[in-house]
Amino acid sequence: EVKLVESGGGLVQPGGSLRLSCIVSGLNFNTYGMSWVRQAPGKGLEWISGLSDSGDGTFYAASVKGRFIISRDNSRNTLFLQMNSLRGDDTAIYYCAKDSGSDIWGYFDFWGQGALVIVSS
Amino acid sequence: EFVLTQSPATLSLSPGETATLSCRASQSVGTQLAWYQQKPGQAPRLLIYDASNRATGIPARFSGSGSGTDFTLTVSSLEPEDVAVYYCLAVSFGGGTKVEMK
Repeated sequence: EVKLVESGGGLVQPGGSLRLSCIVSGLNFNTYGMSWVRQAPGKGLEWISGLSDSGDGTFYAASVKGRFIISRDNSRNTLFLQMNSLRGDDTAIYYCAKDSGSDIWGYFDFWGQGALVIVSS
Repeated sequence: EFVLTQSPATLSLSPGETATLSCRASQSVGTQLAWYQQKPGQAPRLLIYDASNRATGIPARFSGSGSGTDFTLTVSSLEPEDVAVYYCLAVSFGGGTKVEMK
């Protein structure tokens, strides 16, 4: 069974930092691209960052570019999202999602349950 | 800028009816389009990939069609459990269509 489990969410002040983790089990993690998708309260889905299987292909949405960094540790089957200079409009549920292939330009076939990030003073 | 436009924003139907959801791309994506269902409080679930292929475990009531810039998700014989927001994805997500039950 494929499982994706996010952790690291919480309440952070504007300007602060947070690091999300996503542990993946039930598949060969190092052969798939992985991404982060977020959903602000009452809003739609936004693909914010993706990373290919080997780590040489990346994507960042304009809304997070220069502030967020995606990375992965294939030896620990874990995806990370380092979030810096957080703002109120970063408040959202952050989902970890597995790509259907090795790159990041396919579709997302498995999702975690999400980690809630609240940016507020 | 690439944009996916979904219509209608909301669809209100009775059980047993057929829901027809539209997704239009600002430029051709071939058949590289997926559809997702998201129920309240849950993560999205893959329904359709490559425009017309049902994902594992998805009932035959769900079908996808289209290519290029115009795509359709059809949900036949609507059931109360189909109440959800449906999103299309091709690089970016569409804004979603909310399916309600009368």
